[in-house]
This record gives sequence, C-alpha cells and structure tokens, in this order.
Amino acid sequence: GQQLNQSPQSMFIQEGEDVSMNCTSSSIFNTWLWYKQDPGEGPVLLIALYKAGELTSNGRLTAQFGITRKDSFLNISASIPSDVGIYFCAGPSANAGGTSYGKLTFGQGTILTVHP
Amino acid sequence: DAGVIQSPRHEVTEMGQEVTLRCKPISGHNSLFWYRQTMMRGLELLIYFNNNVPIDDSGMPEDRFSAKMPNASFSTLKIQPSEPRDSAVYFCASRRTANSNQPQHFGDGTRLSIL
Repeated sequence: GQQLNQSPQSMFIQEGEDVSMNCTSSSIFNTWLWYKQDPGEGPVLLIALYKAGELTSNGRLTAQFGITRKDSFLNISASIPSDVGIYFCAGPSANAGGTSYGKLTFGQGTILTVHP
Repeated sequence: DAGVIQSPRHEVTEMGQEVTLRCKPISGHNSLFWYRQTMMRGLELLIYFNNNVPIDDSGMPEDRFSAKMPNASFSTLKIQPSEPRDSAVYFCASRRTANSNQPQHFGDGTRLSIL
C-alpha cells in the first residue's frame, strides 16, 4: 500500500529558530494535508494543499505541494514553545488504479520539541 | 461550532470487560472514521462510514472489535472482551463529504487502559 515517509523523526530546537520538515511518497498524491497533535489531544488540521507547486501559509507556517506530487514540505518560522507537538502529513489513499477511496494515509509524524 | 465529541476521555478497566467508546461527529458531516494510536504503530484506521454505512472495516483488528453508526450524529466502537494489548488512544474523526480530498476533523480521543 501507499506509504508516507516523514523526516526528521524528531527535532530539538531553541525558541526563535526556524523549522523545516518534509514528507515523501513513492506514489503520487492529489492532496497533501498537514496536521499537528498537541499532547493529550487529537490531530488538528494546519494546512491543506490541493495543487502541485502550491505554496500556502497559515501564520508562521508555510507548506508546499511538491511539483512531482510525491512530496510536501512544512516550515515553521520563529518557533515558540507552543509549537511543541507531533506534526503529521497525510494524503488520500488510492488503489492500484489511482482512485482515492476515502481513507487517509498518515506519515509516522515528526516530534518537535522547542526549548525556551 | 462544536467539533467532534468523544466520550469518555479516559477509561481504565480490567481485561475481559466490555468497553464502549462513543463519538458525535460534526453536524452535517457525512463520513466518520475510527482510529487507534499507539507509540509502536502510530495512527491506524480501524473503520470508516459514509452516510452511516460501513465502507471499509479492514483495519478492525479482530472479531472482538465492532463499530456501529445508528444515525448521522452518533457512533460507537465496542471491544468485547477487552485485552491489555487494546490499550491505546482511540480517535474519532469526521469529514463533510465522502470526497477523500477533504480534510478529516479529529476529536480529542479516548485514552483506554486495559489492566
């Protein structure tokens, strides 16, 4: 089945630093979604990307839909302590014929720790 | 607007007991998903419904797990009998339509501990 590989698996940074993480796949995705999960809570949608090459911002967050449609990047600028959490990329799963059939494939997550 | 509501938030019970997890999706959403999250396996989709009908239950671990959606505003995930390896956080998510390109919205989960 389809798999999404996220890197890095974890990051330890100082407050104020910029963060970059990415997600890659061996198959094409038509949509990329980025979620953040705070401790003890469910994943919350940060950014949705629907078009190859698309660059979308949400405050200090910027995400890009790769031109090849096999990757996506999430950047966080000027990190703050509340950015701590697990960041997941996700995309609609597809069968061998390339038809999305309702499920999301999730990456394994990037754990972000921000030191004040 | 209210998000996806799950109950209980925490459950601790002894193995062998029946466990029922509940979910109220966002009003007007037609698709509902149940996930399990563990450190070892990450987020796993157990089952999902479109318009109250189960579409894919291939992620349900075994016959001890069952899920129902009797109406558009309520779903349950039941484990009977429960085992220690079922300990995990269980999430419910809903989506406005069956269009898989639309995002899912998650509840805050039920943290289940089976002793």
